[in-house]
Amino acid sequence: ETGVTQTPRHLVMGMTNKKSLKCEQHLGHNAMYWYKQSAKKPLELMFVYNFKEQTENNSVPSRFSPECPNSSHLFLHLHTLQPEDSALYLCASSQDPPSGGWADTQYFGPGTRLTVL
Amino acid sequence: ELKVEQNPLFLSMQEGKNYTIYCNYSTTSDRLYWYRQDPGKSLESLFVLLSNGAVKQEGRLMASLDTKARLSTLHITAAVHDLSATYFCAVSTQGGSEKLVFGKGTKLTVNP
Repeated sequence: ETGVTQTPRHLVMGMTNKKSLKCEQHLGHNAMYWYKQSAKKPLELMFVYNFKEQTENNSVPSRFSPECPNSSHLFLHLHTLQPEDSALYLCASSQDPPSGGWADTQYFGPGTRLTVL
Repeated sequence: ELKVEQNPLFLSMQEGKNYTIYCNYSTTSDRLYWYRQDPGKSLESLFVLLSNGAVKQEGRLMASLDTKARLSTLHITAAVHDLSATYFCAVSTQGGSEKLVFGKGTKLTVNP
């Protein structure tokens, strides 16, 4: 595997289900991101993890719960979602310099197409 | 709050023609990215523009950045069908763990 991978690629779930999205990066990066892309809105940043610590939670509802066990893996746990949460969920990674300078380009995974019934 | 506006949002053009996509942003930033997204696929990084006056070219695409005007352009020269995709600009808001704010994207269709 190379780059950033995401599983599953497609997911259909009911509003009472619990599911998880998985992201894995094979680039040796230290920062990982979750984005939401819906038909009518631009890419929305949801969460940022830097050196395994969450540094950004962009006012995301608690029915979305991220987990970053190490710098290569990122999960998004889903619980009691709403139909309006149907979207493409993209994971990305980048290399942040330790000094806090400008990070390099973000590399995106293929996304998980989520449909909530 | 940083806002990023792209225009046009939809662009249909004929092969062989030239056109420019514009990306305006509302607050100071020194770093701007252009990405390409094919239908059903991920975002692919095209260009990183790091300073005022930066110009990058790859094939038929050329991107430039004017930080004083808070404007970036993506110029398409002699378009071909393979360039059909959605193009996003994204502006970085801070150093360190970067937060990118994306434009809505420009869906480009190149017709034979």
